[in-house]
Amino acid sequence: DGGITQSPKYLFRKEGQNVTLSCEQNLNHDAMYWYRQDPGQGLRLIYYSQIVNDFQKGDIAEGYSVSREKKESFPLTVTSAQKNPTAFYLCASMGGMFSGANVLTFGAGSRLTVL
Amino acid sequence: AQSVSQHNHHVILSEAASLELGCNYSYGGTVNLFWYVQYPGQHLQLLLKYFSGDPLVKGIKGFEAEFIKSKFSFNLRKPSVQWSDTAEYFCAVNAHGGYQKVTFGTGTKLQVIP
Repeated sequence: DGGITQSPKYLFRKEGQNVTLSCEQNLNHDAMYWYRQDPGQGLRLIYYSQIVNDFQKGDIAEGYSVSREKKESFPLTVTSAQKNPTAFYLCASMGGMFSGANVLTFGAGSRLTVL
Repeated sequence: AQSVSQHNHHVILSEAASLELGCNYSYGGTVNLFWYVQYPGQHLQLLLKYFSGDPLVKGIKGFEAEFIKSKFSFNLRKPSVQWSDTAEYFCAVNAHGGYQKVTFGTGTKLQVIP
């Protein structure tokens, strides 16, 4: 089945540690996105990538970094500079030129808790 | 910069009641508009979308939304809700053309009481 796989599902981190969240898609989508979901704040865009080896900052990029070395992979690193990293992180992709174009497909999410 | 405003944060309805969730957006150009839904324990999924053409669009499970350009609005409606519609609903917008950034509203939690 085509889809987006995020791992790990739950992650605990000590303050001061960097952590990398994995996102892999087998939909052959060109674009990939990272969102952060907090109660009452909806989804806020962290980074997105329209093509391999290119990415743009979203609305809340500070304290995060990404890479896009392969079309199917878009890992997100939450660095120690992120002041409030405890959140639910959602990866999504978008692609295709026809009925599925411009529609985001989401993964199941990763819940990060900083202890 | 684009933005989305959802007016209702938490809505409680009895089964068979009618639903209307408000969504307004801000953007200077042509937009695509979406409603996504997150059922408890499930992935976010598309409910319906508007790209162009007929401003009244129909989605899954009997939902519909109307794009009113003059009001920058894209309100979601359903004539008769069911308990299974209990979920969080997000309005979203992106600029027309290419793989643009997609901006979401803060979401509306709908609770349907049997």
